[in-house]
Amino acid sequence: DTGVSQNPRHKITKRGQNVTFRCDPISEHNRLYWYRQTLGQGPEFLTYFQNEAQLEKSRLLSDRFSAERPKGSFSTLEIQRTEQGDSAMYLCASSLVQGGQETQYFGPGTRLLVL
Amino acid sequence: AQRVTQPEKLLSVFKGAPVELKCNYSYSGSPELFWYVQYSRQRLQLLLRHISRESIKGFTADLNKGETSFHLKKPFAQEEDSAMYYCALRGGSGNTGKLIFGQGTTLQVKP
Repeated sequence: DTGVSQNPRHKITKRGQNVTFRCDPISEHNRLYWYRQTLGQGPEFLTYFQNEAQLEKSRLLSDRFSAERPKGSFSTLEIQRTEQGDSAMYLCASSLVQGGQETQYFGPGTRLLVL
Repeated sequence: AQRVTQPEKLLSVFKGAPVELKCNYSYSGSPELFWYVQYSRQRLQLLLRHISRESIKGFTADLNKGETSFHLKKPFAQEEDSAMYYCALRGGSGNTGKLIFGQGTTLQVKP
């Protein structure tokens, strides 16, 4: 499978714990996005990278959230001191910008449950 | 503010009936709009974009700037069209590719 992959697929944690998610984009895709989706809602943008540079962060991304993309390949999203409100599906997408056009390819998501 | 609104949470039709999934947007610049689809147990995938002006799986969508709408249509629904559909706007400033999604509409096609 050469699509976007995310690990783990499911994570259950207790409030106050730290969690880290990983996203492996499609090879050679230069952009990588993180979105969060709660029940009954569409995905909401969190942050994105172009190569290894983090270019934009949503105000949804509190200081407990941090994302990295070392070497412009895979990315990690860490949530510190998790809260019950962090329970959601975390989606990663990657894209290759060509000729001004861009298609984002989504991963299967990581479902987080904070107890 | 940039916003995408899908007024219907659920649209239920019989096989062979026409389908129209509504999408309205709010955007101050020149919008780029998309429809994404998520079939049961599958990941979110692009269905079509307004720039391409193409028909995918019998679906079309026309951007109406006057009404700020980008409704998705299909003349004859099939059972395999049952899925969650999201309208999305490529928003923000500069060259950002971030997508702003609507809440989604579940399409249920009954036999």
